[in-house]
Amino acid sequence: EPEVTQTPSHQVTQMGQEVILRCVPISNHLYFYWYRQILGQKVEFLVSFYNNEISEKSEIFDDQFSVERPDGSNFTLKIRSTKLEDSAMYFCASSEVPYGPYEQYFGPGTRLTVT
Amino acid sequence: AQRVTQPEKLLSVFKGAPVELKCNYSYSGSPELFWYVQYSRQRLQLLLRHISRESIKGFTADLNKGETSFHLKKPFAQEEDSAMYYCALSGDQGAQKLVFGQGTRLTINP
Repeated sequence: EPEVTQTPSHQVTQMGQEVILRCVPISNHLYFYWYRQILGQKVEFLVSFYNNEISEKSEIFDDQFSVERPDGSNFTLKIRSTKLEDSAMYFCASSEVPYGPYEQYFGPGTRLTVT
Repeated sequence: AQRVTQPEKLLSVFKGAPVELKCNYSYSGSPELFWYVQYSRQRLQLLLRHISRESIKGFTADLNKGETSFHLKKPFAQEEDSAMYYCALSGDQGAQKLVFGQGTRLTINP
């Protein structure tokens, strides 16, 4: 069964450094999402992406964040200048259809640790 | 605003006992409600959605619009049900983000 994959599984970076988290969505899916979960807190929506542009973004997704689909398979989340509070588990998800009761398929997550 | 509340962070029951994980939501339109589950060292995966009205692994959930609830139930818990359970909501407009509750860690004791 196709799965969403994410790399790396764990990323450690120093405060102020740029980090890129990578995701490969399921191949026939057209809608892509990033969520994050700070330890002990709920899973929070960051951004949704369709047709090479952002569909919706949350208040968390400020100018330090960007997303890109550089080729036909990868979907990336870039944080330009990491802060300590960016430490979290970042989940990528994809779906065939963005609305209604359609399932979002999640990747295993990337644990980002900012020191 | 969209909000999902799961009042219990932890829930522990004995094998064979009934389980109910509570979920309440706040949304002004017609929401789509989901239960996602995360087993130990596995990814988040869909357990069930309200529109399907199906039973998955013995679990059911009924959307009660009057009480704005979507509680997850299973009549007889099994040890393999131990996991983190998240209630989630998506709205009825545009490309839909999921809004998650805090999650409930369910532990089934032998």
